[in-house]
Amino acid sequence: DIQMTQSPSSLSASVGDRVTITCRASQSISRYLNWYQQKAGKAPKLLIYAAASLQSGVPSRFSGSGSGTDFTLTISSLQPEDFATYYCQQSYSTPMTFGQGTKVEIK
Amino acid sequence: QVQLQESGPGLVKPSGTLSLTCAVSGDSISSSNWWSWVRQPPGKGLEWIGEIYHSGSTNYNPSLKSRVSMSVDKSKNQFSLKLSSVTAADTAVYYCARVVAVAGRANWFDPWGQGTLVTVSS
Repeated sequence: DIQMTQSPSSLSASVGDRVTITCRASQSISRYLNWYQQKAGKAPKLLIYAAASLQSGVPSRFSGSGSGTDFTLTISSLQPEDFATYYCQQSYSTPMTFGQGTKVEIK
Repeated sequence: QVQLQESGPGLVKPSGTLSLTCAVSGDSISSSNWWSWVRQPPGKGLEWIGEIYHSGSTNYNPSLKSRVSMSVDKSKNQFSLKLSSVTAADTAVYYCARVVAVAGRANWFDPWGQGTLVTVSS
């Protein structure tokens, strides 16, 4: 199985901050990497697919980059509604696997 | 607007079989998408269980393969999950999701159902 490791596991930030979350794969996965946002008690929501493509309806302050083994999710200016847990997920091979999550909390 | 809705018992006895159904609206179960199950133990991360195509083709997570089966009911536009020999470790929120596949390995989960909590306890 391909292991996905996110860092940090949690972070505290203020509204307006630029936030970066990193996801590292245990082997190269090209650009087959997706990002999801999950709010407490809710289902995950797709933010970014294929490493850098913004899902329709997702604010442009979210962006993704990377290829191979190293990927990043960036929130350019954190908004109150962005406090949530973020997961990366690889689709390069089955079983599809997720990172352990990064919880973004209010400072 | 595509919507998915999980249904099934919220409590299953140890050694029993967990059975869930996902009703799909706004898309045909016979479209070119795969349909998947993902679970999340309380306070933990996400685990892919497996996926099914309308033809009946399946891919399962090897960690659960011996206990999992999935099926499709085209007449009801829904798909189902069965997980046998459950233990407390199978307690989780179970989500169904559409797997959007554009080309090759580029696929992602969208949308997701709201999730249903299944507790394994006597």
